[in-house]
Amino acid sequence: DSGVTQTPKHLITATGQRVTLRCSPRSGDLSVYWYQQSLDQGLQFLIQYYNGEERAKGNILERFSAQQFPDLHSELNLSSLELGDSALYFCASSPLASGASDTQYFGPGTRLTVL
Amino acid sequence: AQTVTQSQPEMSVQEAETVTLSCTYDTSESDYYLFWYKQPPSRQMILVIRQEAYKQQNATENRFSVNFQKAAKSFSLKISDSQLGDAAMYFCAYRTSYGNKLVFGAGTILRVKS
Repeated sequence: DSGVTQTPKHLITATGQRVTLRCSPRSGDLSVYWYQQSLDQGLQFLIQYYNGEERAKGNILERFSAQQFPDLHSELNLSSLELGDSALYFCASSPLASGASDTQYFGPGTRLTVL
Repeated sequence: AQTVTQSQPEMSVQEAETVTLSCTYDTSESDYYLFWYKQPPSRQMILVIRQEAYKQQNATENRFSVNFQKAAKSFSLKISDSQLGDAAMYFCAYRTSYGNKLVFGAGTILRVKS
């Protein structure tokens, strides 16, 4: 158990809908990262938040957005869902924003299925 | 842009034997970090081992060790005394020393035969 929690574990929804994925980082970690794992794209970095502020952006679609709250939990919002958004979404956390000693620990993931 | 390549989509090993998974990467940076993550059927991503590029000594964690060849940009994972619980997808990942995001390879499925 990494100490990172994600809810829900599974989510099934229809095209055009909007969903919210939630992540609670390990105790003491200030950074939260979101990754997407799909069959065609592999594991891709989406976005990072550090202590409430957006820190880095990767291949995140405009239909997706994220935020980190004062209690450091994070939410990833996916809207106007398409079939291709079906994937495993991971949250990871680390103590720092970046740097030498920073190692990311992953949550169990949320499996999103868009029908 | 940094890239990570895992050229072996699938590998098999007999229980108690040793197997080596390959990883190469491309970067212009001199300082960076390399990781191996394990993803069992549960889909959880588990950190196996990490290597700092400035360290010449290869990292070791119990039955897991790496062969880090900086000049060749190669970072292979050796699993000794393979166990059934080692069966999983293994991902090689890269991060710059100042950065944050992990860049992953495509993964290698490891099957362990009893």
